[in-house]
Amino acid sequence: TQLLEQSPQFLSIQEGENLTVYCNSSSVFSSLQWYRQEPGEGPVLLVTVVTGGEVKKLKRLTFQFGDARKDSSLHITAAQPGDTGLYLCALTKQSGTYKYIFGTGTRLKVLA
Amino acid sequence: DTGVSQDPRHKITKRGQNVTFRCDPISEHNRLYWYRQTLGQGPEFLTYFQNEAQLEKSRLLSDRFSAERPKGSFSTLEIQRTEQGDSAMYLCASSSQGYSGNTIYFGEGSWLTVV
Repeated sequence: TQLLEQSPQFLSIQEGENLTVYCNSSSVFSSLQWYRQEPGEGPVLLVTVVTGGEVKKLKRLTFQFGDARKDSSLHITAAQPGDTGLYLCALTKQSGTYKYIFGTGTRLKVLA
Repeated sequence: DTGVSQDPRHKITKRGQNVTFRCDPISEHNRLYWYRQTLGQGPEFLTYFQNEAQLEKSRLLSDRFSAERPKGSFSTLEIQRTEQGDSAMYLCASSSQGYSGNTIYFGEGSWLTVV
């Protein structure tokens, strides 16, 4: 059972467009991570957020952690074909546990 | 390369056979995790170790599954009497003890196909 909802499930856009994907939970997070995964490979960490309201930028990617620490978003500016992949969020529900729960992911395709 | 490595990358086996996967974590990491991922889904937690101690196991880890980390370094995941439903990618990850969100790093996965 997945406790994290990610939306949208699929997204196909043209190169140069902006997009936002979302990660929501009914539970408060201790920390949250975003990963990108390409077919046949393991997930690659993009960012970790631990503080409510935190905003982190990674080049054209902007990650936001909700104030209540129950949601997060990833915004990509001027998407490129190299951004294509499965975007996963993962959380730990509370301090002291190291079990990460993953969402089902958003599959992004950026068309040239 | 000092990333998480997994072996084999691909395994095709007949139903009923046993298979074993190996994971070598990042050398200074004392936590090691196993996840399973099927097509269209995010990774599902199976188990994790802190050093050689197996601290948590998912209900997904049936009695046909066993994981070990005998010396607190590499780990093995064995599946006995494989079933077609075991077909998936088995991911290993590791992390170091400490704050900063306990970032975990994944290997490239071991694909299992049970025919």
